[in-house]
This record gives sequence, C-alpha cells and structure tokens, in this order.
Amino acid sequence: AQSVAQPEDQVNVAEGNPLTVKCTYSVSGNPYLFWYVQYPNRGLQFLLKYITGDNLVKGSYGFEAEFNKSQTSFHLKKPSALVSDSALYFCAVRDSNYQLIWGAGTKLIIKP
Amino acid sequence: GAGVSQSPSNKVTEKGKDVELRCDPISGHTALYWYRQSLGQGLEFLIYFQGNSAPDKSGLPSDRFSAERTGGSVSTLTIQRTQQEDSAVYLCASSTYLGGVSDEQFFGPGTRLTVL
Repeated sequence: AQSVAQPEDQVNVAEGNPLTVKCTYSVSGNPYLFWYVQYPNRGLQFLLKYITGDNLVKGSYGFEAEFNKSQTSFHLKKPSALVSDSALYFCAVRDSNYQLIWGAGTKLIIKP
Repeated sequence: GAGVSQSPSNKVTEKGKDVELRCDPISGHTALYWYRQSLGQGLEFLIYFQGNSAPDKSGLPSDRFSAERTGGSVSTLTIQRTQQEDSAVYLCASSTYLGGVSDEQFFGPGTRLTVL
C-alpha cells in the first residue's frame, strides 16, 4: 500500500540551530515527493518537490530536502532555523492516480 | 485571480442545516481537489475533479457530501444535514494536469465550518 509517514508529531529546535523534519514513504514506481508548509491560520504553501535528478532539492525560505532511495526517505532540512519557521509541515507523495498521499504533519516549534 | 479562492472564509451553521462551500481555482488548472482538515490534523482527501472525467469521489465520508464542478472551473462542495463532526476546515486545491509530469497543488485559504 502506498503511504507516507512523518514519525514525529512535533519537533522543537532552538533558533539558529539546524532543523530536520522526517518523512518516509512507500510507493510503487518512481516517487514524486513534496513538502508543504502551513502557517497558523493560513492555507498550505508549496515548499519544494523531488521528481528526478539531484537528490538534494532546494526550495522556498531556505529549506531543502534530501531524497534517499535506499532508505525511502525525504527529510526536510534547514541549516539555521528562524522563529518564523514555526509552522505545520506536511510531506506528500504522488500516487499512480496523480493524487497526493499526505503525511499526518509535523509541528515545528522554533524557540528564540 | 492570482490564486485559489474560497468562500465563505467562515461558516457557522446549526446541526441539520445544509451548507455550500465554493472554490474558484487558478485559471487554466484542470485538476481540482477538496480536502478536509480537522484542528491541527492532517489532510483528509474528499474528492478530485480532472477535466471532463468523472470525479473521484472515493474520499467522501458519507452520502451527505457531494460536489460539482461547473464548466470545468468553479466547484461547490455541499454538505446536507450537517452534523457536529463535520466541523473542520475545508480546503480546495487546484493544479495543472500534465500526464506523466508531476504537478504541485495550489491551495486556497480554506473555509472554516462550525456546526453548532
């Protein structure tokens, strides 16, 4: 079965420290992977996607994600966290019907 | 418009009433999605429209839920005889449809539905 897992409900990071939000997936064929962010009281915004090519994908707001085929992971990273990065982050993978399968979301809290 | 718009932004209704939620996708986007998001939770897929094809209704939670898309553009999600458990934020998204090429979804701001 196709699925996406975000194993952490919440991640706490001090401002200025690197952050990682984890995502693993299970899908048949080549995965098309996405990260979205949802700021408080706002809609979801696209951050980045992996289709093919370089395993390190760069996106909006200084975020990047690393595709690891052997570990079936697509972790979201940022070298230096900002308080304004505090939000809900969703990982998703496109299935064979061109729909997105969504993870449950990870709440990222950046403390000053 | 520049993005996906939804109306109303907030809707408070009484249990048993019907409600209609509207989504206006990005011009030219042939794919349209409805999701439901409970407070602080993930996204629950409801229904998917692609061009003139029959919609994928596999995510609709009950027959009280229905949706239509007129003229391949604006979509309306209707919930009949609302129940308190229907309270959630209803999100609409649209995307281009490029066959074998990945297409990111653009989301509207959502409609917050509260059923009293």
